[in-house]
Amino acid sequence: GDSVTQMEGPVTLSEEAFLTINCTYTATGYPSLFWYVQYPGEGLQLLLKATKADDKGSNKGFEATYRKETTSFHLEKGSVQVSDSAVYFCALGAGGFKTIFGAGTRLFVKA
Amino acid sequence: EAQVTQNPRYLITVTGKKLTVTCSQNMNHEYMSWYRQDPGLGLRQIYYSMNVEVTDKGDVPEGYKVSRKEKRNFPLILESPSPNQTSLYFCASSLSLGTANGAEAFFGQGTRLTVV
Repeated sequence: GDSVTQMEGPVTLSEEAFLTINCTYTATGYPSLFWYVQYPGEGLQLLLKATKADDKGSNKGFEATYRKETTSFHLEKGSVQVSDSAVYFCALGAGGFKTIFGAGTRLFVKA
Repeated sequence: EAQVTQNPRYLITVTGKKLTVTCSQNMNHEYMSWYRQDPGLGLRQIYYSMNVEVTDKGDVPEGYKVSRKEKRNFPLILESPSPNQTSLYFCASSLSLGTANGAEAFFGQGTRLTVV
């Protein structure tokens, strides 16, 4: 069945460091791919998305490119801030309405 | 403001005492769902609803019930809670466009449930 695998955390970085969180997926058909972010004490909110191969989603300095050949959707940011500390979820929009989430990666950014 | 509202935010209860977690959205979304979040497991879908009076099981439906009598509301019912249902619960809604077509899910703030 469809699934999402993302790198385990926690990831700890210093402010202004480069961030990569790896995400790979398994799916039949042509899914959409998402990154959601969960700040402490809050629900998930959409960070970015891509709906077809080679699309790049971007928001708040974060980017991810839908790579069909490697079935990947890695999240990157060139310079992280303390305020980026959160849990990041890679997700796959499967057939119909179902969203399949990865296990989440916790990011800590130190000042 | 577009939002999904869950209540309560925190709940401690005893085994076997029926409880309801309410969920309401003001975006006129057709699709609503419930998830539970557990460490290392991400979010797992409990139940979903594609419209009023249309509900179906997700991946982990055992021990839960739902109803969808109005478009905006989608309560989660635990008839006889057990300690293994201690978790963080999220309600979400989205347009009928479908997530495969890029429709994002809008989440409530979560309900932290402890069953003792």
